[in-house]
Amino acid sequence: SQQGEEDPQALSIQEGENATMNCSYKTSINNLQWYRQNSGRGLVHLILIRSNEREKHSGRLRVTLDTSKKSSSLLITASRAADTASYFCAPDTGGGNKLTFGTGTQLKVEL
Amino acid sequence: GAVVSQHPSRVICKSGTSVKIECRSLDFQATTMFWYRQFPKQSLMLMATSNEGSKATYEQGVEKDKFLINHASLTLSTLTVTSAHPEDSSFYICSASRGGAYNEQFFGPGTRLTVL
Repeated sequence: SQQGEEDPQALSIQEGENATMNCSYKTSINNLQWYRQNSGRGLVHLILIRSNEREKHSGRLRVTLDTSKKSSSLLITASRAADTASYFCAPDTGGGNKLTFGTGTQLKVEL
Repeated sequence: GAVVSQHPSRVICKSGTSVKIECRSLDFQATTMFWYRQFPKQSLMLMATSNEGSKATYEQGVEKDKFLINHASLTLSTLTVTSAHPEDSSFYICSASRGGAYNEQFFGPGTRLTVL
């Protein structure tokens, strides 16, 4: 397994603004997953993007994947206070391998 | 679909006692379950990978005799913290995977363990 590195470590924005967070990884992947964790709770799976996909949408979420640069980005549009959470990326090498999580991006959306 | 539950959500125990945490996949069969622990403001640290009917695979530095994992069925895995000490106080989270080509994991809500 390999760990993704999220950037920035912390992000503070106003409600209604867009939030962008990035993820970098080191080796080839089968897919990359993004998760959200609210304080004191488990992780919630947000979106999975396969290695042959370049962009994927889910509601207000937009994920891109650039395998040549070994990077991914998560865009949350029209952010809400409820989006305040930590966001983690998890590069998956496939084959049922375990996922390893980095320190995440702590997003704070202020009213 | 793909709901994972954990029980209990919070437990306080005395030093030296053992605590069992259950992780259940409610609406799917989990070929693999994972156990993590998380300290405040830190990331999840994988403790072990558990496959139904076989012994768990522990990560380096995790004591298998202290953290007993049993994966008796495709919907239930348990983590027992034996002879708990204050330093074992942490947030324990399980996840479950259906397997297949894409290793999407579904996480439980976590268990807050406090050892006095």
